[in-house]
Amino acid sequence: KNEVEQSPQNLTAQEGEFITINCSYSVGISALHWLQQHPGGGIVSLFMLSSGKKKHGRLIATINIQEKHSSLHITASHPRDSAVYICAVSNSGGGADGLTFGKGTHLIIQP
Amino acid sequence: DAGVIQSPRHEVTEMGQEVTLRCKPISGHDYLFWYRQTMMRGLELLIYFNNNVPIDDSGMPEDRFSAKMPNASFSTLKIQPSEPRDSAVYFCASAWDGYYNEQFFGPGTRLTVL
Repeated sequence: KNEVEQSPQNLTAQEGEFITINCSYSVGISALHWLQQHPGGGIVSLFMLSSGKKKHGRLIATINIQEKHSSLHITASHPRDSAVYICAVSNSGGGADGLTFGKGTHLIIQP
Repeated sequence: DAGVIQSPRHEVTEMGQEVTLRCKPISGHDYLFWYRQTMMRGLELLIYFNNNVPIDDSGMPEDRFSAKMPNASFSTLKIQPSEPRDSAVYFCASAWDGYYNEQFFGPGTRLTVL
């Protein structure tokens, strides 16, 4: 079973700061997902990646398959970015697969 | 599309009662997942279906839990009898069978067993 570790568990930063959240996993994967969960509970998929780097607005996700490590970056952070960010991995060689989740990083951006 | 639909959004029941959670996946999606979220254990996969067939139910905690998918547009997760430790948020998610199989989550059902 894959073990997914995230760091830090909690992060408080000032508006405008550059944010980095890290994720490592123990076993080779087919894809890594970054999810966002706001207070109130809804879960939104931010990125799904299996190699390299993806960018969407102020969010950037990178993955290093050899090192079994991924990072999520937020540039020019804003209070609306405050949420829990969850890393998850899927192991199937084809098609979708059930996800194994990290514990999440609770991010607070102060104005 | 309305996204993944779950009902009820909140359920409060007493220990020993049967609980049924419902999910309607996004039309055209081939995969349906049931996850559970608790403070102690975070998010966990319970079971998932591909084309209405259960593929992996290794996350189902015990025989009190059962899940069905009678057709492509409906799935249920049943707990009988319910216990206080089943209190959690239960999420349903769906995905299509393709190269980019991002999962789309429903709003969740918050279950409280007294």
